[in-house]
Amino acid sequence: ETGVTQTPRHLVMGMTNKKSLKCEQHLGHNAMYWYKQSAKKPLELMFVYNFKEQTENNSVPSRFSPECPNSSHLFLHLHTLQPEDSALYLCASSHPLGQERSYEQYFGPGTRLTVT
Amino acid sequence: GQNIDQPTEMTATEGAIVQINCTYQTSGFNGLFWYQQHAGEAPTFLSYNVLDGLEEKGRFSSFLSRSKGYSYLLLKELQMKDSASYLCAVSRQAGGSYIPTFGRGTSLIVHP
Repeated sequence: ETGVTQTPRHLVMGMTNKKSLKCEQHLGHNAMYWYKQSAKKPLELMFVYNFKEQTENNSVPSRFSPECPNSSHLFLHLHTLQPEDSALYLCASSHPLGQERSYEQYFGPGTRLTVT
Repeated sequence: GQNIDQPTEMTATEGAIVQINCTYQTSGFNGLFWYQQHAGEAPTFLSYNVLDGLEEKGRFSSFLSRSKGYSYLLLKELQMKDSASYLCAVSRQAGGSYIPTFGRGTSLIVHP
């Protein structure tokens, strides 16, 4: 248990569906991250939020839409996905730069997404 | 851009020592991470090296040479539970956070 929870843990959706992934952290962090992990590929950073503001978008297609309503919650809204978007989506959090151990990210268990 | 290279798979015997190497070429380097990821689980933080040298933490040690673009993770007294994927990542700072770029990971298999 890392203090970062993600729901749902598994999701199967069609290409025309709209769904959302949720991440919540109970660690008092102010930086939150979305990652994509596909088989045989490196863990890939998608988005970064600091104090609810998006600070990094790693050229992610617009069919992925993040939302950070407060420092404890992060969402990833999904629509018109493609089969190649099937992957494990991981959320992480950390303290922002300047705070103790701000380099250490705590990961949630991930959502296993399958697009049919 | 970032280029990170680490072996795909390694095997070792319980009780032995194993060294997992990572080489990198990067623009904008702030430090180097090692994470451990068991199958089906989230990555967990092992170490972060900013300066050259060896950092020891129990059975695990991490080494960095910035001039050579090289790091290694050393695991001593291997246990079966150390079977996992070990992720090397180089870090830059941007937008108030450390931004990691990960390698493909090294799958370590520990056998009796």
